Amino acid sequence: KQEVTQIPAALSVPEGENLVLNCSFTDSAIYNLQWFRQDPGKGLTSLLLIQSSQREQTSGRLNASLDKSSGRSTLYIAASQPGDSATYLCAVEANSGYALNFGKGTSLLVTP
Amino acid sequence: DVKVTQSSRYLVKRTGEKVFLECVQDMDHENMFWYRQDPGLGLRLIYFSYDVKMKEKGDIPEGYSVSREKKERFSLILESASTNQTSMYLCASSWDRVNTEAFFGQGTRLTVV
Repeated sequence: KQEVTQIPAALSVPEGENLVLNCSFTDSAIYNLQWFRQDPGKGLTSLLLIQSSQREQTSGRLNASLDKSSGRSTLYIAASQPGDSATYLCAVEANSGYALNFGKGTSLLVTP
Repeated sequence: DVKVTQSSRYLVKRTGEKVFLECVQDMDHENMFWYRQDPGLGLRLIYFSYDVKMKEKGDIPEGYSVSREKKERFSLILESASTNQTSMYLCASSWDRVNTEAFFGQGTRLTVV
């Protein structure tokens, strides 16, 4: 079964810093990898989708990379802001199934 | 924009009640999913559906059933609610199987007392 791990579990940084969130998965046979944001008590908001044939995707201050062979992805957030404070979740869609397998998330706090 | 709407943000139900959680998507997506999210356990798949009237068990289907009579609507049913089903329930949809983005609803916080 696909296992998805996110490191660190929690992160606190001052406003303006660039930061990297890590995601690793055990089975490289994936269709895609997706990064989500979740605010407390809310649903998930899709941030970036990287298909298996791609190496990276960018949206504004966010950049996600994918190294399928090593089972790793990173989410880079540039010039962090307090509004970026949330939990960030990584999920992979395995070749063997329809649904996403999620990591447990990284809780990010950006302090003013 | 894709919209996935869950019928309730918060629900409180009594042990033994039959509970219906409704989810509607407006983008003609083929796939729909129900997850539950618990602290320390993350998101776990309960059931999914890849077509009308089709359903597949996820990782934790026990105590739940689902219904998909129309393409846009996917219902999660707790046949006899128990306190260990207190959780955040999240519905999602995606266009089709391969390489497509998943969109989530706002979540339903269910408390069973």
